[in-house]
Parts: sequence; structure tokens; C-alpha cells
Amino acid sequence: DIQMTQSPSSLSASVGDRVTITCRASQSISNYLNWYQQKPGKAPKLLIYTASSLQSGVPSRFSGSGSGTDFTLTISSLLPEDFATYYCQHRHSYPVTFGQGTRLETK
Amino acid sequence: EVQLVESGGGLVQPGGSLRLSCAASGFTFNNYWMSWVRQAPGKGLEWVANINQDGSDKFYVDSVKGRFTVSRDNAGNSLYLQMNSLRDEDTAVYYCARATESVTTFQHWGRGTLVTVSS
Repeated sequence: DIQMTQSPSSLSASVGDRVTITCRASQSISNYLNWYQQKPGKAPKLLIYTASSLQSGVPSRFSGSGSGTDFTLTISSLLPEDFATYYCQHRHSYPVTFGQGTRLETK
Repeated sequence: EVQLVESGGGLVQPGGSLRLSCAASGFTFNNYWMSWVRQAPGKGLEWVANINQDGSDKFYVDSVKGRFTVSRDNAGNSLYLQMNSLRDEDTAVYYCARATESVTTFQHWGRGTLVTVSS
């Protein structure tokens, strides 16, 4: 199985900050990488698919990059509603797996 | 508007069985792969199983193979997960998810149903 490792596991930041979350795959997954946002008690929400494509309706302050084994999710200027947990997920092969999550907290 | 509504969760003893349902609306159900994804309390996300449009292809995570069965009823716009031989570690919120055309990109999610396995 392909393991997905996110860093950091938690992150404290302030409104207006630029934030980057990293996801590393245990083997090359090309660009078969998605990012989700989850708020407490809610279902996940798809933000980015195929590493860098912005899902419809998602604000442009969210962006994704990377290929092979190393990927990043960047939020260019944090808004209060962005404090949440973020997960990467590969779809290279079965079983698809998620990273352990990055909890983004207010400083 | 796409809607996915899970039901069937609850408290069950280890070794017991439970059948989850997901009622879909707002889209042409038989055009999409569907998945179950779970989340143990305070933990991350784990993909469990998926099924193709006509139910002829199914995939499972190793930890549930032989115990869980995914199925669908296209006439009734419903997805199911039959869970047998339940274990403590199956305790989780179970989400129904609709894929995009890429099969394992989860574009729409239900609110989830909680399954608790405990004696």
C-alpha cells in the first residue's frame, strides 16, 4: 500500500498568513493527488484534485502543486473559515489512502 | 443539488452485523462510482470500499475484505454496505461519497452515520 505522510501534523497561524502543508507519498503517484478540508463534525470537502486543479467553488487562495512523491497545499492568505483539518489522498492505485491530516489552528 | 443521506448506524456487539444505506438524489445515480469512507473517533479518513456504475466491479481495503460487502440499487438510487463479523476497530463514522469521473476522487459526501462496536 502507498503511505501518505503529511507535515506538519498541526500548525498554528493567524488570519492573513500564508500557509503551506506538505504531503509525501511512499512511492511515485504521478499527479494522482487530492486535497480535502474537514471542519469539526462535518464531512470532508474536496479542494484540489489531480494535484493542482481547483475544485469548482473553492476560493482561489487555495492552490496545490507537486508531482511524483512530493506535494504541497498552499493557502495564500488565511481567512477565519480556513481553520480546519486538511487531508491529502492518493488515487494512484488500490487501496486509495489518506494522509494522517494537518490540523490548522488559530495562533 | 446532490444529496447523500446515510442511515443504519448504531451500537452493535463484536461479531455482529449491520447494514448501512445511503440514499442519493440530485444526480443520475447510475452514472457514478460510489464509495464508503470511514473515520474512527478523533482519527483520520480511511477509504473502505467502492462500486462501479452497474455493480459489477467492487474494491475493498484489506481490513474489511471477506467481512463487508458493498452493493447498490440503481432503480432505488441507493448504496449499501453490509458489515459482518464486526470488530471494535470498525467503530467509526461511515460516509457515503460520490466520485468524480476519476472514480476515487470524492466530490460529494453525506453527513455520515456512526457505527459503534462494543460489548
